[in-house]
Parts: sequence; C-alpha cells; structure tokens
Amino acid sequence: DTEVTQTPKHLVMGMTNKKSLKCEQHMGHRAMYWYKQKAKKPPELMFVYSYEKLSINESVPSRFSPECPNSSLLNLHLHALQPEDSALYLCASSPRQVTNEKLFFGSGTQLSVL
Amino acid sequence: GIQVEQSPPDLILQEGANSTLRCNFSDSVNNLQWFHQNPWGQLINLFYIPSGTKQNGRLSATTVATERYSLLYISSSQTTDSGVYFCAVIMNRDDKIIFGKGTRLHILP
Repeated sequence: DTEVTQTPKHLVMGMTNKKSLKCEQHMGHRAMYWYKQKAKKPPELMFVYSYEKLSINESVPSRFSPECPNSSLLNLHLHALQPEDSALYLCASSPRQVTNEKLFFGSGTQLSVL
Repeated sequence: GIQVEQSPPDLILQEGANSTLRCNFSDSVNNLQWFHQNPWGQLINLFYIPSGTKQNGRLSATTVATERYSLLYISSSQTTDSGVYFCAVIMNRDDKIIFGKGTRLHILP
C-alpha cells in the first residue's frame, strides 16, 4: 500500500461550523504533514508531525487544530474558518522527518468556506 | 531564505513533443524532488534527485548540485502529462520543503 488517503474529497462549511479533515497512511511512515494550497499557487506547509508529536507549526491560526492520534492517522480540526481559508488541503507523509526522505501526497480535500 | 525558481512558467505543446523544465535554487540543498500535480489536484512524486541523473520511462531528471539547478525532461508528451510540475527543495541547514511556483504544462491532442 503506497497511498495516502484523504477524506472527504470536498467540503463546504459555514463560518460557524466545526469540521474535521482526515488523512491515513499504512506505509509505516513516521512523519506526516498538512499543506494548504490556493489556486495556481504552490503548496504551503502548515504542520509537521514526527513520531506522533507536533514538530513544526508554521504560525497557523488557532482555528486550525491538528491531531495525530496514532502513527497512521492525521486529523485537521476546523472551527470558525474564514472565506479566505478556502483552499485545497493536502496531507503528505514520509518515512521520517529528515532531509533526505521522499514525500508522498494524498489527493487533497477541496474546502469551501461560505 | 532560499529562492526556488522554475521556468518556463507556462508551456503549451503538441502531443508527441519533447520538453525540458528547469529549476534553479539559490543555496545548497540536500533534498530535491520533482512533483506532477494533475488537473484533479493529486501531487505525484516523480523523482527524488538531490544530485545525478535518474530515468523513469519517458521522464528523466538531472540535478547539478554544484551549479544549483535541476532539469526535468519529458519525451514524447501525452495529454496525460498535462498539469503543473513542481520542484521542491530542502536546504542543507533546514528541514522544510520549499516549493517553486511550478511550470504549468498543457499538452494538446
């Protein structure tokens, strides 16, 4: 299994809603990442988890709350989002969080905030 | 911070043509990867190539780390090659992947 699976594929939410994005991998990878990608822009790093511990937070607003319940699963909890948060949210994984590892991406969740 | 520049920004080719995409980076890196993002948003890792040359079917890549550039070659283009090609690097003294702005490739049937 060489896949990173993200659900849902599409999500529409209001500014007062609470929702969660889910990411799963069964490759035994111990580093998992959340990226945000706006249209026609490159992906931007949000969070990195290494061995289930938060390693990097790129000064992301607190309305985005990551969680890594186990080594295969990564969640992104969303609350009180703004319309400008509408974007493609990508999850990725790598064997470890070191500089010489290959990164594998999921197909993303397209989020629209109304 | 490190600068990653990709060229050309846009490329339109007829099916069957060959193309070369370039990635320049401003500092020493120990990780360089090429990705293809298809029209549905999926990012596919094409190559992990911090130095040297690799080939995978119609695609090949070369990184000359001492001169701070990498090239992605696509031969006999197919419509399924359309999408955005990103170069991503990690500096020697950092642990964050930095993406270039990408090359948008459109292959006409």
